Amino acid sequence: AQSVAQPEDQVNVAEGNPLTVKCTYSVSGNPYLFWYVQYPNRGLQFLLKYITGDNLVKGSYGFEAEFNKSQTSFHLKKPSALVSDSALYYCAVRDLESNYQLIWGAGTKLIIKP
Amino acid sequence: ETGVTQSPTHLIKTRGQQVTLRCSSQSGHNTVSWYQQALGQGPQFIFQYYREEENGRGNFPPRFSGLQFPNYSSELNVNALELDDSALYLCASSLVTGGVNYGYTFGSGTRLTVV
Repeated sequence: AQSVAQPEDQVNVAEGNPLTVKCTYSVSGNPYLFWYVQYPNRGLQFLLKYITGDNLVKGSYGFEAEFNKSQTSFHLKKPSALVSDSALYYCAVRDLESNYQLIWGAGTKLIIKP
Repeated sequence: ETGVTQSPTHLIKTRGQQVTLRCSSQSGHNTVSWYQQALGQGPQFIFQYYREEENGRGNFPPRFSGLQFPNYSSELNVNALELDDSALYLCASSLVTGGVNYGYTFGSGTRLTVV
């Protein structure tokens, strides 16, 4: 079965420092990977996706993610965190066996402290 | 281009009642997926519609049903509401052509509270 794991429930980072939110996946076949952000009482906003090509994917709001096939990881990164980056972050993989439904991680709460 | 819009934004229903949630797809998209997100959890896939037919379903009982209309908008219907149905319901539209899904756009969700 295909799955996504976000091993950290919460990540705390000081403003201006680099941040990493971890994601590992398990799929049969080539993975299509996504990162979404969710602010309180809001829907999910797309950040970036990896389908094929360059392993380093650049997305919205200065975020980027690195696809590592050997480690089956797709960690989200940002060189310099902002307080406004504080939110819930979800990693997802597309399930090819179920007509493109997204399989989601449990989410990681990112807290950026001033 | 317009995004995905969902209505209503908030809803309170009594246990045993029925509810209909609505979703307007992003312009140019032909596929709609529905997700349930309970408080503090990640989204759970309910089902997906492509060209007005259900073509994928998660682990939800038959009292969760849906429709997709010719304009690609969609409805989620839940019968015999239970307290555990209280959640944020998210709709996502996407464009699927030639077997390729070009990405998902989510609405802001409908917050359903069952009392």
